[in-house]
Amino acid sequence: QKEVEQDPGPLSVPEGAIVSLNCTYSNSAFQYFMWYRQYSRKGPELLMYTYSSGNKEDGRFTAQVDKSSKYISLFIRDSQPSDSATYLCAIRFLNAGNNRKLIWGLGTSLAVNP
Amino acid sequence: DVKVTQSSRYLVKRTGEKVFLECVQDMDHENMFWYRQDPGLGLRLIYFSYDVKMKEKGDIPEGYSVSREKKERFSLILESASTNQTSMYLCASTVQTNTEAFFGQGTRLTVV
Repeated sequence: QKEVEQDPGPLSVPEGAIVSLNCTYSNSAFQYFMWYRQYSRKGPELLMYTYSSGNKEDGRFTAQVDKSSKYISLFIRDSQPSDSATYLCAIRFLNAGNNRKLIWGLGTSLAVNP
Repeated sequence: DVKVTQSSRYLVKRTGEKVFLECVQDMDHENMFWYRQDPGLGLRLIYFSYDVKMKEKGDIPEGYSVSREKKERFSLILESASTNQTSMYLCASTVQTNTEAFFGQGTRLTVV
């Protein structure tokens, strides 16, 4: 079983739709959860991070973590064509001393159509 | 703004050549990473370094080596390039206690 599972899509939605992107993970010791966005031919950039169960909002983006189910989600409200990108989840141990490596999902390709 | 700069956006090399990919970061970050990214396989860690002259193997180190002589610079070396090393290569850096990884723009390497 992979440590992080993410459906690669592609996902295609009309402008204005609510988008739900999801990852599951296998190791309950992972405690830091991140979402990165990667535009075509660019490096990934951090969108949001959280280390607690529950929701965290930033504008149109909401990151949700359910540690009991080992499930993380990213919701995009009022999606825009500029949100078209690949979204990658990444997780790691909480303390840098334990392991400095991020564990990455494969990424979900999202297209928002005008 | 943190900047991670990779020396080339696109490279074409011949099989058997020795290839150097350079990465420089300007924020005094301790940790630096080299990944390759391939369709369907995602980001895979090749090597990382948590200090000058220190290096650790990632998940796919075979056919690669690295060098970190200065804190700001992390080089990836393909000792003898092969066609299966055609890929997008991404460099990243992180602060010791922070988790955010800052990426360079990537180098698309084609080995012919």
